[in-house]
Amino acid sequence: EADIYQTPRYLVIGTGKKITLECSQTMGHDKMYWYQQDPGMELHLIHYSYGVNSTEKGDLSSESTVSRIRTEHFPLTLESARPSHTSQYLCASSPPQGLQGSTEQFFGPGTRLTVL
Amino acid sequence: QKEVEQNSGPLSVPEGAIASLNCTYSDRGSQSFFWYRQYSGKSPELIMSIYSNGDKEDGRFTAQLNKASQYVSLLIRDSQPSDSATYLCAVRSGGYQKVTFGIGTKLQVIP
Repeated sequence: EADIYQTPRYLVIGTGKKITLECSQTMGHDKMYWYQQDPGMELHLIHYSYGVNSTEKGDLSSESTVSRIRTEHFPLTLESARPSHTSQYLCASSPPQGLQGSTEQFFGPGTRLTVL
Repeated sequence: QKEVEQNSGPLSVPEGAIASLNCTYSDRGSQSFFWYRQYSGKSPELIMSIYSNGDKEDGRFTAQLNKASQYVSLLIRDSQPSDSATYLCAVRSGGYQKVTFGIGTKLQVIP
């Protein structure tokens, strides 16, 4: 079982507030990811990191920012939340590439964000 | 054209039957292929990975890869109601660490 944690699990917040979604993993994985997923819809990659001090934007444009100061920690921040940010946010991590180039991702439980 | 394409379903099969889920991808350089299962309201969990042409079996699950035709499939034998979920196909393109997910196929196993 993967050890990847997200807090909070649920968050309801007003428009204009600054929020940080936490993601931590204890597996020593070098790669970490943030996805956004609306109910019944596909996963959209919004940020990823290959290691400490490495962050990249994903395929879906997002107003959020991320940081990777420690291997195990990959927080996502929204400076000013809006109703359009209402969604499920999933954090994932994957280990160093294996012999076959495997990059299985292990997902956290997710944070369901509602912005009023 | 989407990088990874799946029929969103729902695919309905009776209990005990074989469920066949299909996925096509656009990048011929893709090297790693994954099937994830996602129950409603839950996170995706990896059930199969496959890297070379042919079949890979794990219990009731068989993943099939055909790189020439650019498709990957998942067979679930003796389908159970507990298999009812959305199955996501994911593909890693050569040279990149990030993985692209399909929209997922919703499977319903009818008791």
